[in-house]
Amino acid sequence: DAKTTQPPSMDCAEGRAANLPCNHSTISGNEYVYWYRQIHSQGPQYIIHGLKNNETNEMASLIITEDRKSSTLILPHATLRDTAVYYCIVAGTASKLTFGTGTRLQVTL
Amino acid sequence: EAGVVQSPRYKIIEKKQPVAFWCNPISGHNTLYWYRQNLGQGPELLIRYENEEAVDDSQLPKDRFSAERLKGVDSTLKIQPAELGDSAVYLCASSGGGANTGELFFGEGSRLTVL
Repeated sequence: DAKTTQPPSMDCAEGRAANLPCNHSTISGNEYVYWYRQIHSQGPQYIIHGLKNNETNEMASLIITEDRKSSTLILPHATLRDTAVYYCIVAGTASKLTFGTGTRLQVTL
Repeated sequence: EAGVVQSPRYKIIEKKQPVAFWCNPISGHNTLYWYRQNLGQGPELLIRYENEEAVDDSQLPKDRFSAERLKGVDSTLKIQPAELGDSAVYLCASSGGGANTGELFFGEGSRLTVL
């Protein structure tokens, strides 16, 4: 599976959009981009995933570049409860998720 | 609907002692995973079950770790004997509904401290 690169930490003001980048330049054609988050002392939580097209659900939007070498997770209106570690994972199937160290997002007042 | 249930939430043992963790997945989920998460790291897969069959145990340290999923529902992960380096959070997850819905449901984890 392709590796991903994420910034170790980011800050975001409450109410603003949080844009979390992820580089995956070695992604293969059949690999999906998955995003999970992990709030302190909890298990990871699925957010969204996509192959080529942009995706949106009630939690977030996923923007994948046309060459698929990078993506951005967008939390449109971040709240304090969105403070967590966000993992970007590239895999052919959800049964083979390899978590990195992710991005620690701190949402502040 | 209940989520993935794990127990115990916390366990402190001395090295060389045995320990076991239990997981009850979401009802109807055929696939069950055990992950280990070291401090400051992301979770790493130990073993994956499809029903009662272990289909991926390549990352399970088989000299001291064992797992079972009798009847394809609940699962137990055992460590015997525990070493200091086994201190970590052990996470169970389950999924269902096809190969690529993308969503694994995780429990809250069992935090192991080996003294």
